[in-house]
Amino acid sequence: QVQLVESGGGLVKPGGSLRLSCAASGFTFSDYYMSWIRQAPGKGLEWVSYISSSGSTIYYADSVKGRFTISRDNAKNSLYLQMNSLRAEDTAVYYCARVSDYWGQGTLVTVSS
Amino acid sequence: NFMLTQPHSVSESPGKTVTISCTGSSGSIASNYVQWYQQRPGSAPTTVIYEDNQRPSGVPDRFSGSIDSSSNSASLTISGLKTEDEADYYCQSYDSSNHGVFGTGTKVTVL
Repeated sequence: QVQLVESGGGLVKPGGSLRLSCAASGFTFSDYYMSWIRQAPGKGLEWVSYISSSGSTIYYADSVKGRFTISRDNAKNSLYLQMNSLRAEDTAVYYCARVSDYWGQGTLVTVSS
Repeated sequence: NFMLTQPHSVSESPGKTVTISCTGSSGSIASNYVQWYQQRPGSAPTTVIYEDNQRPSGVPDRFSGSIDSSSNSASLTISGLKTEDEADYYCQSYDSSNHGVFGTGTKVTVL
């Protein structure tokens, strides 16, 4: 069955960096677009970024463009999100998702001094 | 900026039908597929409808999706409401720049 497992979340100071990973299994990872979505505490869902199956097409939300970088390693069935220059407003649960269907359980990122 | 607006909340009794709207702020909502996600308290979202009206395997046929171009809106209908349907529901699509956009979310309460 399809599984998406995020890791790498934690507490980081403003201005710091963090790299999230998402391990995929149960499907042919290299065939699918993948995305990152986040949810701040008590708030709604916010789309962050997506990447095409080959990695050649990438889009970012304006709120993270220039600070976050999405990437993938199809040989390792893994999706990544490099987050730099983190701000308090980036505090959220970050979900990895196969575009339009399966979601992971999320990893919490807290940006605080 | 393209936005998707949903009612804040809807309530109905078990066995009844609820319909949640998702209205696009501009352009044509029919230009890109709409997805619907269910999020129960404390859990990750799951997909109940993808590509406007397709149900993933395992999602009961009580869930259905549709598009109404005349009102520039998408709708999620849940029939035969059950207590387990109590959750937050979000629509999602893309704007003209291929950026993902989520709706404002609707809390469904089963009375």
